[in-house]
Amino acid sequence: DAKTTQPPSMDCAEGRAANLPCNHSTISGNEYVYWYRQIHSQGPQYIIHGLKNNETNEMASLIITEDRKSSTLILPHATLRDTAVYYCIVRVANTDKLIFGTGTRLQVFP
Amino acid sequence: DAGITQSPRHKVTETGTPVTLRCHQTENHRYMYWYRQDPGHGLRLIHYSYGVKDTDKGEVSDGYSVSRSKTEDFLLTLESATSSQTSVYFCAISGATGGPNTEAFFGQGTRLTVV
Repeated sequence: DAKTTQPPSMDCAEGRAANLPCNHSTISGNEYVYWYRQIHSQGPQYIIHGLKNNETNEMASLIITEDRKSSTLILPHATLRDTAVYYCIVRVANTDKLIFGTGTRLQVFP
Repeated sequence: DAGITQSPRHKVTETGTPVTLRCHQTENHRYMYWYRQDPGHGLRLIHYSYGVKDTDKGEVSDGYSVSRSKTEDFLLTLESATSSQTSVYFCAISGATGGPNTEAFFGQGTRLTVV
């Protein structure tokens, strides 16, 4: 199973872009990268996913390197409500397992 | 929220007793998952299901069993609860189109305390 590595914590000023990195150097060609976040003790919330092209939706952008060994989640204008734990996940091909790592705790400050 | 209901939301039980947690969905998603979350850990996959009566083990399956007799329900059973199974349990669903690589939706969690 591909594993992911994320920094344990990051800070970001409100209104600035938050760039959350993730390494997944053992990713296979058909495995997708997913990002979720968890606010307080709620259930995780889907943010975005991609295979090899950059993706953007109303919440965030996902930049995947050409070799697919790393990716960056970008929250373009962080708000205090974006304070959460962000999980980068590689979905295991052909099994549909979602294996979470320990995530990055993002603290957005005023 | 996606149509996922976990029950009960809170439970206190004694060591050695059986416990069943229920996850019910109204979305007709193919895949269902059970996770546990403990302080200092992310979510750890216990079991998952890829169809009716089709289940597989996750990372931390010892002490747990599951059943899925119909699409909408995925049951997690602790045959003989232990204090180490005190945790918050999350159910998730995915596979809106019937295939993999779709987003997953999570329930609100069940807080289980084993005393």
